[in-house]
Amino acid sequence: DTEVTQTPKHLVMGMTNKKSLKCEQHMGHRAMYWYKQKAKKPPELMFVYSYEKLSINESVPSRFSPECPNSSLLNLHLHALQPEDSALYLCASSPASRSQETQYFGPGTRLLVL
Amino acid sequence: AQKITQTQPGMFVQEKEAVTLDCTYDTSDPSYGLFWYKQPSSGEMIFLIYQGSYDQQNATEGRYSLNFQKARKSANLVISASQLGDSAMYFCAMREGGDGGFKTIFGAGTRLFVKA
Repeated sequence: DTEVTQTPKHLVMGMTNKKSLKCEQHMGHRAMYWYKQKAKKPPELMFVYSYEKLSINESVPSRFSPECPNSSLLNLHLHALQPEDSALYLCASSPASRSQETQYFGPGTRLLVL
Repeated sequence: AQKITQTQPGMFVQEKEAVTLDCTYDTSDPSYGLFWYKQPSSGEMIFLIYQGSYDQQNATEGRYSLNFQKARKSANLVISASQLGDSAMYFCAMREGGDGGFKTIFGAGTRLFVKA
């Protein structure tokens, strides 16, 4: 089973709202990732968790707050977003960080900020 | 400097024909992995094929094969017997070992259109 699930599939929120994106995998992977993808562009790495610890934050604004409650779950808390944050948010996981291990992606959450 | 280059923004192929999607990369790390992903309009990134820097043979997965030319730093994807369902965006990506191991670097992508 190489499935990564993400909820919700679609999300519309106002600039004053607080919402959360959720990601789950049951492959025993110890590295999990959040990516942001704008239309017609490649994914951009936001955060990496390794063994439930934040290991990379790609200078993401503080209105995005990641959380890894356990080895299977990854959340992205959203607060006071801007319209330019509208994008597809992809979660991914991999067994660990070694170069020969592929990442498996979830279906993404399409976020629209009004 | 761009580490992954995909020079074909869009490609057309006739159904049942083969197509090659180009990818060149740049790294000084001797240990790296090269990947191809397919992204349909639904948005999900689907892993297609992987090639390790130390692999001697080109990777193959069903209708997908990776033409790995290490000296030229190229990792082209070949799709044989194209199907209408192959119409999608295709991304070439690289993961470097060592400190860069957590990061996957993506190319700009190639949009493939399969014609009936």
